[in-house]
Amino acid sequence: DIQMTQSPSSLSASVGDRVTITCRASQSISSYLNWYQQKPGKAPKLLIYAASSLQSGVPSRFSGSGSGTDFTLTISSLQPEDFATYYCQQSYSTLSITFGQGTRLEIK
Amino acid sequence: QVQLQESGPGLVKPSETLSLTCAVSGYSISSGYYWGWIRQPPGKGLEWIGSIYHSGSTYYNPSLKSRVTISVDTSKNQFSLKLSSVTAADTAVYYCARRSGRRIVGATYHYFDYWGQGTLVTVSS
Repeated sequence: DIQMTQSPSSLSASVGDRVTITCRASQSISSYLNWYQQKPGKAPKLLIYAASSLQSGVPSRFSGSGSGTDFTLTISSLQPEDFATYYCQQSYSTLSITFGQGTRLEIK
Repeated sequence: QVQLQESGPGLVKPSETLSLTCAVSGYSISSGYYWGWIRQPPGKGLEWIGSIYHSGSTYYNPSLKSRVTISVDTSKNQFSLKLSSVTAADTAVYYCARRSGRRIVGATYHYFDYWGQGTLVTVSS
């Protein structure tokens, strides 16, 4: 299996801050990397696919970058509704899909 | 608008089989895409269980493969999950989702774009 490791596991930030979350794959996955946002009691929501493509309807303050083994999700200016848990997911190995362990973004 | 809705018992006894169904509306499963199950133990991360195509082609998480069966019923526009020999470790919120894809510069990138609301299944005697 391809292991996905996110860092940090949690972070505190303020409204208006620029935030970056990192995801590292245990082997090269090219750009087969997706990012999801999950709020308590809700299903995950797709934000970014193919490492840097913004899903329709997702605010432009969200952006993704990276390829190979290292990826980042950036929120340019945090809004109150952005406080949630974020997961990366690799789709390189469609026979064995794996997620990162999650990054919890909290209000400072 | 594509919608998915999970249904099934919220409580299953240890060693028994967990059975869930995902009803799809707003899109015909027969038209294509893979459809999948993902679970999330309380307070923990997401784990992919497996996926199925409308033709019935399946692939499963290797760690669960010996206990998982996913099937599709195109006449009812739904797909189902069976997980056998459950233990307390299988207690989780179970989500169904659609796996979509986008072709970009010669490669197809897959992602889960529509999800059900999730259903909590507790394994306990």
